Amino acid sequence: NAGVTQTPKFQVLKTGQSMTLQCAQDMNHNSMYWYRQDPGMGLRLIYYSASEGTTDKGEVPNGYNVSRLNKREFSLRLESAAPSQTSVYFCASKSPSTDTQYFGPGTRLTVL
Amino acid sequence: GQSLEQPSEVTAVEGAIVQINCTYQTSGFYGLSWYQQHDGGAPTFLSYNALDGLEETGRFSSFLSRSDSYGYLLLQELQMKDSASYFCAVRDSGNTPLVFGKGTRLSVIA
Repeated sequence: NAGVTQTPKFQVLKTGQSMTLQCAQDMNHNSMYWYRQDPGMGLRLIYYSASEGTTDKGEVPNGYNVSRLNKREFSLRLESAAPSQTSVYFCASKSPSTDTQYFGPGTRLTVL
Repeated sequence: GQSLEQPSEVTAVEGAIVQINCTYQTSGFYGLSWYQQHDGGAPTFLSYNALDGLEETGRFSSFLSRSDSYGYLLLQELQMKDSASYFCAVRDSGNTPLVFGKGTRLSVIA
């Protein structure tokens, strides 16, 4: 039982490049989330998926797209990376029976 | 919308007790959670309060007063390993995402 996994762990992009951050969970959770974390800003929600086949915008969705590929996987895509998207990105899933969110280890992204 | 306020930094001595406060404003309320995050790590769940009162888990306790829109995390017998950031978070219904405060950085000193 690996919990929530994310790839890659680190990534450096040039402005304008695109990339997809991958997230998978093996806990059979319906709800999955993408957050970004910047110094002094806490965790801000980018997008979430309450169940397979649905996605919704969070607080800071601009510049991002998501895909809920199946119940296990929820990916985050940057179509044209900007320096303002330099951040640490966390994926999380939520247990339906408790209010606990489980976080992946994070992806540290730098956009030059 | 939702907003949460918590102190940005707290310093406490090893072995002492520290309380981290959180006030919130939400349109609905489904519970107050606390998460711990060590530098370079991911947030991990600590506690959850849906009803008024105190929840205790070992050295950590969490309190909620829904009428005051206020809660706190109490850490006892502080250890150096408790140095971390602590986030309060609220959800305004069972199906909506958690919204996090900006975090309190706790430094435990000898």
